[in-house]
Amino acid sequence: AQSVTQLGSHVSVSEGALVLLRCNYSSSVPPYLFWYVQYPNQGLQLLLKYTTGATLVKGINGFEAEFKKSETSFHLTKPSAHMSDAAEYFCAVSPADGYNKLIFGAGTRLAVHP
Amino acid sequence: NAGVTQTPKFRVLKTGQSMTLLCAQDMNHEYMYWYRQDPGMGLRLIHYSVGEGTTAKGEVPDGYNVSRLKKQNFLLGLESAAPSQTSVYFCASSTWETQYFGPGTRLLVL
Repeated sequence: AQSVTQLGSHVSVSEGALVLLRCNYSSSVPPYLFWYVQYPNQGLQLLLKYTTGATLVKGINGFEAEFKKSETSFHLTKPSAHMSDAAEYFCAVSPADGYNKLIFGAGTRLAVHP
Repeated sequence: NAGVTQTPKFRVLKTGQSMTLLCAQDMNHEYMYWYRQDPGMGLRLIHYSVGEGTTAKGEVPDGYNVSRLKKQNFLLGLESAAPSQTSVYFCASSTWETQYFGPGTRLLVL
């Protein structure tokens, strides 16, 4: 069965610092990979996704992620954190079986301090 | 376009009561999903539908039923609510690869 592990339930960075949120997955075949962001009391918004092609994927709000098959990882980065980036971030995988079901990690709450 | 909408936004139930959560989407998507979100556990799939008139079980289906009588609507029912069903419920609809989420329904079962 597929699973997703997000290392660190809470990450705290200074404004302007690098953001790195880690995601590892287990899958027998390369899945589709996603990062979603959730602001307080809101639904989930797609940040970026990897399906096929280029392994470095750029998303909204300056975020990007790199699919590394050999490491089964899909870490999310942003060069310079902004206060508005404070939110909860979820990594998810889909087995690409045609039903597009998502398996989520437990989430990482990002805090950005001045 | 409203995207994905959910009603109600918040509800308090007593143990044993029943209720139905409504999800509606105006994007003409075939696929729809119900998830529950609990602290420290991310989102878990309850049921999903790949088209009008079809439903299938997800990871945590016990205690829930669903119906997809119209393409744009996906209903989640709780026949006899239990405190363990206190959660935030999210509906999503999907293109062939990307899911779009509603704003959520917060349910408290006392």
